[in-house]
Amino acid sequence: QITLKESGPTLVKPTQTLRLTCTLSGFSLSTRGMGVGWIRQPPGKALEWLAIVYWDDDKRYGPSLKSRLTISKDTSRNQVVLTMTNMDPVDTATYFCAHFNENTGYYRVYFDYWGQGTLVTVSS
Amino acid sequence: EIVLTQSPGTLSLSPGERATLSCRASQSVSSYLAWYQQKPGQAPRLLISGASTRATGIPDRFSGSGSGTDFTLTISRLEPEDFAVYYCQQYGNPLFTFGPGTKVAIK
Repeated sequence: QITLKESGPTLVKPTQTLRLTCTLSGFSLSTRGMGVGWIRQPPGKALEWLAIVYWDDDKRYGPSLKSRLTISKDTSRNQVVLTMTNMDPVDTATYFCAHFNENTGYYRVYFDYWGQGTLVTVSS
Repeated sequence: EIVLTQSPGTLSLSPGERATLSCRASQSVSSYLAWYQQKPGQAPRLLISGASTRATGIPDRFSGSGSGTDFTLTISRLEPEDFAVYYCQQYGNPLFTFGPGTKVAIK
């Protein structure tokens, strides 16, 4: 059974760097075809894709926040980490990590398993 | 970037009624479209991929159709647990995107 769980700070100050961890269970990111992404959702608003990492360590970023994001994987710990620099109150959101499988094509990404999400508030 | 437009913004219906949700893409995404359901305080749940393939465990009252730029999610008979927000997501382009969502509310 595939599960994902997000962890990290619930409150960060403006200009700080956010570091979120996604702990994976039921699959390994060393397995061909597997991938994990981060998606966020401001309160009452829609979903926004942030970053994805593939089993082969290829990484892609959403265009709007690309300069502020870094995604990495630690297969030995079965974790994926997202860092976002220079946090601002508009970055207040629930951050989700989610699993994908490149079974319809390497760039054909949709998410079949999601973590519960973690609410991050940016405030001084 | 491919922009997805969902309509209507809110759909007010009664249990047992049929719901028809639309998702339109700014350019063709072939059949690379997914639908998700999200209830308050929960993560999105995958309903449909490939425009029309139900995910594991999804009831057959949910169906998807369309290709190119116009897609539809149909819920044949609304159950109380179906009142939620529904998002479409295109993955026909490497910079995949989500739509703004349609809320299905109890009338």
